[in-house]
Amino acid sequence: VSLVESGGGLVQPGGSLRLSCSASGFTFGAYSMHWVRQAPGKGLECVSTIGLSETKTYYADSVKGRFTISRDNSKKTLDLQMSSLRPGDTAIYFCVRGTFGDTSPYYFDDWGQGTLVTVSS
Amino acid sequence: QTVVTQEPSFSVSPGGTVTLTCGLSSGSVSTSYYPSWYQQTPGQAPRTLIYHTNTRSSGVPHRFSGSIVGSKAALTITGAQADDESTYYCVLYMGSGIWVFGGGTKVTVL
Repeated sequence: VSLVESGGGLVQPGGSLRLSCSASGFTFGAYSMHWVRQAPGKGLECVSTIGLSETKTYYADSVKGRFTISRDNSKKTLDLQMSSLRPGDTAIYFCVRGTFGDTSPYYFDDWGQGTLVTVSS
Repeated sequence: QTVVTQEPSFSVSPGGTVTLTCGLSSGSVSTSYYPSWYQQTPGQAPRTLIYHTNTRSSGVPHRFSGSIVGSKAALTITGAQADDESTYYCVLYMGSGIWVFGGGTKVTVL
């Protein structure tokens, strides 16, 4: 299993950024996927989850209305479109594989190495 | 607002046993929350240790075990080794796509 994130960088408050995750080594379309972030020196927060299709998406309250998760099962990619970014969104964003068939048991299975997003003027 | 509680830190001697817990600000943790545990060392991505309360992820040593102890989920390290020095996170699945992580427990082996 390989999950490789890209797209991180420095962005000004109020700006936008699109993160991507390229997956390989497993049947991408058969797994739920997540974006989990970690602010510098802080704990983990699941900001968004997507089911096997784009009809099931979930967002943490902290990003609802500003972030959009999507997936392309044919390209084996997971994206996170982030807009109206705030300094509090500064974090490493991890692409994480969820569970097979989007069924229980529910947990975070495999993790990418993460991409750093810095929101600062 | 649901808060998942973990001890901020723990110290264990090499070869010793330590039990970390994962609780809820209100209520008890049960298997219905699918408690899972993750190990993270500085600069690295988290590693999945335990899922569904007590199932070890592939390649995880048997010295790591999960359980429910009283009203909390628990992670026990039996025979701690130097490279177990890490921060350990638990997470509970609240349903409807909602996940709540604990604040993490930093384990020192000395």
